[in-house]
Amino acid sequence: VTQTPKFQVLKTGQSMTLQCAQDMNHEYMSWYRQDPGLGLRLIYFSYDVKMKEKGDIPEGYSVSREKKERFSLILESASTNQTSMYLCASINSGQGLNQPQHFGDGTRLSIL
Amino acid sequence: KNEVEQSPQNLTAQEGEFITINCSYSVGISALHWLQQHPGGGIVSLFMLSSGKKKHGRLIATINIQEKHSSLHITASHPRDSAVYICAVRSNRDDKIIFGKGTRLHILP
Repeated sequence: VTQTPKFQVLKTGQSMTLQCAQDMNHEYMSWYRQDPGLGLRLIYFSYDVKMKEKGDIPEGYSVSREKKERFSLILESASTNQTSMYLCASINSGQGLNQPQHFGDGTRLSIL
Repeated sequence: KNEVEQSPQNLTAQEGEFITINCSYSVGISALHWLQQHPGGGIVSLFMLSSGKKKHGRLIATINIQEKHSSLHITASHPRDSAVYICAVRSNRDDKIIFGKGTRLHILP
């Protein structure tokens, strides 16, 4: 699972798309954010192309799944409380959802 | 109360010690995952369990479905085992994944 960019600094109000790509033909992909003391929290997930489901903290974010291998996280108007480490993961849900998750290395996003 | 609780939150041990990290959960699950995150690094999936026990090298993971509890054991711990270990469960109600807050392990040489 490949995430780009690895680091990004934005100003409040700017827009940004975080990219996630996997070459394992996985159907299920998801976006998390990781914050100290809060652990990992699910933002959005997708079972298939064009499909998306809200996770626990979708506010301020949107997603796009135009192709099976790519799942993008979009910040339309960045705010300082979106400063975080963002992690993308995928699962081969074609064999059932109880499969190990494959995580990307993360995108560290700072909003000034 | 969090639906997934890990203990301890922090653990420092000497090289060679036997390490146990615990995870308790309060929801019905279809699977439990143990993940490892090294400082500044990505997350690696160590185990996926739905019953019994799994072993990989020096790592052993067990789960007791009736007691809603899982343990991750590290035998003959080494400084390179220093990392944050995260327990995550998949809810059988809505398929969402719920994460514990992690256990920070530091192995001293």
